[in-house]
Amino acid sequence: EVQLLESGGGLVQPGGYLRVSCAASGFTFNDYAMTWVRQAPGKGLEWVSDIDNAGVDTNYADSVAGRFTISRDNSKNTLYLEMSSLRAEDTALYFCVKDGHCRGGGCYYDFWGQGTLVTVSS
Amino acid sequence: QSVLTQPPSVSGAPGQTVTISCSGSRSNIGSDYDVHWYQHSPGKAPKLIIYNNINRPSGVPERFSASKSETSASLAITRLQAEDEADYYCQSYDASLSNAVFGGGTKLTVL
Repeated sequence: EVQLLESGGGLVQPGGYLRVSCAASGFTFNDYAMTWVRQAPGKGLEWVSDIDNAGVDTNYADSVAGRFTISRDNSKNTLYLEMSSLRAEDTALYFCVKDGHCRGGGCYYDFWGQGTLVTVSS
Repeated sequence: QSVLTQPPSVSGAPGQTVTISCSGSRSNIGSDYDVHWYQHSPGKAPKLIIYNNINRPSGVPERFSASKSETSASLAITRLQAEDEADYYCQSYDASLSNAVFGGGTKLTVL
């Protein structure tokens, strides 16, 4: 059974730093790209960042580029998202997502965690 | 403002059929990128219910079906059940943004 368990969320001041993690199990972690998706309170889903299976190729939404860093440790089956220069608008539930098979540049997301809440506030 | 446009809400009585639309543009759905659909109940992990436009993952009831045409897509849920009450999101890829994009979500209420 695929499980994705996020951790590390919490309250952080504007301009601050936080690292969230995602422990994956139930599949061969280093075979799949992984993605972070977030949901601000009362809002819809927003793609944040993704990373290829080897941890070499990364992509970011314009809203977080230059402030967030996605990484993975395949020896620990863990995905990370380091967030710096945090803003109030980064307040959201952050979901760890496993990519399904991709074609033509697009991917679907076949398994999701329950999310970890990041609140940016003074 | 989401790149893909969905109605904020739909509703239907048990046993009825509802349809949720997802409107895109030439840089996403209109460029023949696949559309996928997710079901999300508050406090739970979102669940993939349709992938690659029309396919249902194992375990998703046949009551869920989807279609895609030109720059839009739609999700149909037949024989509505109380357990179908949730938020539904479409998702595709946008060539102009070079990333995945989601619809704003549609809240389904089962009356």
